[in-house]
This record gives sequence, C-alpha cells and structure tokens, in this order.
Amino acid sequence: AQSVSQHNHHVILSEAASLELGCNYSYGGTVNLFWYVQYPGQHLQLLLKYFSGDPLVKGIKGFEAEFIKSKFSFNLRKPSVQWSDTAEYFCAVNDNYGQNFVFGPGTRLSVLP
Amino acid sequence: EAGVAQSPRYKIIEKRQSVAFWCNPISGHATLYWYQQILGQGPKLLIQFQNNGVVDDSQLPKDRFSAERLKGVDSTLKIQPAKLEDSAVYLCASTQHRTALVATEAFFGQGTRLTVV
Repeated sequence: AQSVSQHNHHVILSEAASLELGCNYSYGGTVNLFWYVQYPGQHLQLLLKYFSGDPLVKGIKGFEAEFIKSKFSFNLRKPSVQWSDTAEYFCAVNDNYGQNFVFGPGTRLSVLP
Repeated sequence: EAGVAQSPRYKIIEKRQSVAFWCNPISGHATLYWYQQILGQGPKLLIQFQNNGVVDDSQLPKDRFSAERLKGVDSTLKIQPAKLEDSAVYLCASTQHRTALVATEAFFGQGTRLTVV
C-alpha cells in the first residue's frame, strides 16, 4: 500500500525567507505526485503536480517541486514566502490504476509579517 | 466552471444520531471520492466511485457508514449511528477521466465539518 510522510508538522518562517517542505512516499511503481494547499477556511487546492517528464515542476504562486525518484521524494520549495502563504500543505500520491489519492499528514506553514 | 458542491457546511449532532452529507461533483467527472479529514491529519479515503459503481470502499466502516451514487452524478454519505470519533471534516472530490491509466488531479469541495457531541 502507498504511504506518504511529510517531514515537518509545523514550520514558522518570516516573510522573504526560503521554504522547503519535505515529502517522501513509499510505492514501488509509477506514481503521480501532487502538492495541495488549504488556506484557512478554504477547500483543498492544487499547487502543482508531477505526472512524467521534467522532474522539476512549477506550480502556482511561485511554488516548485522536484521529483527525485531514487529518494522517493517530492519536496516543495519557494524562494521567498509571503504572509499570504500561511496555510496547510499536503503532499499526495496516486497511481494510474486505482487512482486513489493518498495524502500525507500535512505541514502547517505560518509566515510572520 | 463550477466546482465540487457539498452540503451542509457544518453539522452538530449527538452521538448515536444519524447524519447525511451530499456532494455534487464537477459536471462530467466520472470518479467521485469521499475523504475523512480528522483535525491535524491528512485526508483519508473512505470510498471511491467510478460512475455509480464502487471502486474502493476498503476503509469505509461499513457497520455505520454508507454511501451511494445512484445515477452516477451526485452522492450521499451517511453515518448511522454516529460516534464521537466521527468528528471530522468530510471532503468530496472528483476527477475527470472515466478510465484508469490516465493521470489526473482531484478537485475538492469545501467539506462538511461534523461535530459529534
């Protein structure tokens, strides 16, 4: 069965600091990888996704993630965070067969103004 | 395009009562999911439908939870009787593709926050 772990439960940064959120998954086959964001009081929204091709993917709002197959990792990065990035971030994985999306436990990001 | 619609947004019930949640996926989306998100955790799949058939309900507590998607469009999730540990946000999501082997993303509704007292 697939599983997803996220390295940090809660990250606190000041505005303009760089961000990296870790995500590792366990699954031996071909996977699709996602980062979703949940702003306070809002629904889960897709930040970016990786299906195939270039392992460095760019998403909305200046976020990017790098898929490293040998490390089973899909870390999320942003060079300079803003107060409006305060949210909960979820890494998720699925395959093309069952298409069940398996989520990590989430990382809460607090950006201080 | 309209997103995934869910109702109600909030529900408070006493333990042992029953409750139902409704979801209308994005038009044309064949696959529908119900997830349970307990505070501080990631969403956990309860059931997955493709059209009106169940693909995966292995994590659905079938002694108290049931779900249906009769016409392959909207869906209801029911809990009867509710327990305190069912307090969570219930999320509905949908994806477009009708067949497997095609990568796609899931679109989520706002969720229903259930509090069991």
